[in-house]
Amino acid sequence: NAGVTQTPKFQVLKTGQSMTLQCAQDMNHNSMYWYRQDPGMGLRLIYYSASEGTTDKGEVPNGYNVSRLNKREFSLRLESAAPSQTSVYFCASSEAPGGSPLHFGNGTRLTVT
Amino acid sequence: SQQGEEDPQALSIQEGENATMNCSYKTSINNLQWYRQNSGRGLVHLILIRSNEREKHSGRLRVTLDTSKKSSSLLITASRAADTASYFCATDNKAAGNKLTFGGGTRVLVKP
Repeated sequence: NAGVTQTPKFQVLKTGQSMTLQCAQDMNHNSMYWYRQDPGMGLRLIYYSASEGTTDKGEVPNGYNVSRLNKREFSLRLESAAPSQTSVYFCASSEAPGGSPLHFGNGTRLTVT
Repeated sequence: SQQGEEDPQALSIQEGENATMNCSYKTSINNLQWYRQNSGRGLVHLILIRSNEREKHSGRLRVTLDTSKKSSSLLITASRAADTASYFCATDNKAAGNKLTFGGGTRVLVKP
């Protein structure tokens, strides 16, 4: 099983450009998440989808939008990239929200110049 | 805001030694989880301990939870070079809408 697959692995954007980060899971999980990881900050939740058809804001949602396309796929969109969005982005999934372990992808390293 | 805070931030030990790291949190939790992250990779779930449990083992890992002190510890026994990684605690609590909140992590270096 592939688990959680993220694309692309690396991306460089100029300020103001837009892009979509893709995430797909093959574990039939109900819940999916987008986190960003910055040095010394741990992981911070951007958006999550507790189940297909629902999305909710996390701790740091400003500047991002998400789409839960179907049960497998959860995308993250940056409409107008800013240098402050330079980070490593991780997608994760779990069977259910709350107490279930998260399964992570290997991340997208994004640089905004 | 970070619910869990790991201590120490970094740890360097010799192969074969034990490694202990701690996690403190602020509000009541449903469960606490520990994850490992190898350089350049995503996080991997290690162990989950529920609020009504005090200790849990998985292979060379031992996790304790003290809800009265709002703290948890992760012990890695007989460490190996392959244990070199960052370790994160994550808490699931009702105040955060049952979403996991991660700490800043402990970087562990195991020297051969």
